[in-house]
Amino acid sequence: GQQVMQIPQYQHVQEGEDFTTYCNSSTTLSNIQWYKQRPGGHPVFLIQLVKSGEVKKQKRLTFQFGEAKKNSSLHITATQTTDVGTYFCAGSDGGSQGNLIFGKGTKLSVKP
Amino acid sequence: EAGVVQSPRYKIIEKKQPVAFWCNPISGHNTLYWYLQNLGQGPELLIRYENEEAVDDSQLPKDRFSAERLKGVDSTLKIQPAELGDSAVYLCASSFLSNTGELFFGEGSRLTVL
Repeated sequence: GQQVMQIPQYQHVQEGEDFTTYCNSSTTLSNIQWYKQRPGGHPVFLIQLVKSGEVKKQKRLTFQFGEAKKNSSLHITATQTTDVGTYFCAGSDGGSQGNLIFGKGTKLSVKP
Repeated sequence: EAGVVQSPRYKIIEKKQPVAFWCNPISGHNTLYWYLQNLGQGPELLIRYENEEAVDDSQLPKDRFSAERLKGVDSTLKIQPAELGDSAVYLCASSFLSNTGELFFGEGSRLTVL
């Protein structure tokens, strides 16, 4: 079945450093979404990518969807302590069920 | 606008006891999801409803888990009997469109089975 893998599992950075998490799917995706979950909180939607090669930016966050629609990345420029949390990608292959399959997430910690 | 509401937030029970979780989705959202999240893992889909119909319950352990969404609005997830391995956070989410667009998650119900 469809699998979504994320790396790294953990990332520790100094405030001001950049951060990138990568997401890879075993199947071609119809769309990919990114969520952020703060410690003790619930996942909150960040963005959805649909088109091959799509790049979207939200302030210091840059999201990319691969040309083959099997991988994606989230890059944060100049991390801040407010960026702390776990970042999940979730992909759908658009099949008969088309359910979103979540990766295991990348837990980001930022040292001030 | 109220978000997805779940209750209880926390529940501690002994193994073999029953437990039920309730979810009220965002008004107008026809699609409702129950996810299971273990510590350090991503959410895993248990069941998806379109209105009152369970359109995907393939990952729901039907020997002990059941769910209902009788009027196509709020939903209940039940575990009977609970096992130690059921300790996790049970997340409810809703969306306006099925399997596309943003999922809105509730705060979750954290279950501890002793």
